[in-house]
Amino acid sequence: AQTVTQSQPEMSVQEAETVTLSCTYDTSENNYYLFWYKQPPSRQMILVIRQEAYKQQNATENRFSVNFQKAAKSFSLKISDSQLGDTAMYFCAFIPSRTSGSRLTFGEGTQLTVNP
Amino acid sequence: GAVVSQHPSWVICKSGTSVKIECRSLDFQATTMFWYRQFPKQSLMLMATSNEGSKATYEQGVEKDKFLINHASLTLSTLTVTSAHPEDSSFYICRGQGGDEQFFGPGTRLTVL
Repeated sequence: AQTVTQSQPEMSVQEAETVTLSCTYDTSENNYYLFWYKQPPSRQMILVIRQEAYKQQNATENRFSVNFQKAAKSFSLKISDSQLGDTAMYFCAFIPSRTSGSRLTFGEGTQLTVNP
Repeated sequence: GAVVSQHPSWVICKSGTSVKIECRSLDFQATTMFWYRQFPKQSLMLMATSNEGSKATYEQGVEKDKFLINHASLTLSTLTVTSAHPEDSSFYICRGQGGDEQFFGPGTRLTVL
């Protein structure tokens, strides 16, 4: 069974600064995907960034980037130039890539607050 | 682009009534639909997984007779909360998956009085 752990229930950052959210996971799978989802107050789940385990290069999407350490089973999210609209709950998630219809395993979430 | 729509976005009902939540996949075929429940400030809890044309697979502790799931087509899945009680009040989210594509619905806030 896979597990995903986010050890920071809450974090805060000043606008325009950089913040890193931590995520570790445990799996025996070799091929999988990792995701960071954002859930703002509207509660719509929004995909922030996705990483394929077989790719060594860290994924980036504008101000969002990850530090993927496969051996350490670590997948942290860095948000640069934080904006007020980044305030949300952030979930790290894992899915094995071996079959379609595989379940997505979520971490407990990190509530991020960006202060003006 | 491909999305999953979910209706209603919110519903208030009396205890003992049944409520149906619909999720439709648009511009892609959701061969699998996942249904989640989320309490405030908590993570998403998987309730059940349904494949088109098959019976749903429920997670341990989820009453299949209370949470009826139908996935009759590749574009529509429904969750019916039967004889709803206040403890069923929650936020329900669907996730449609087809091939490498997966999308979340916007969620339904259910309040049972």
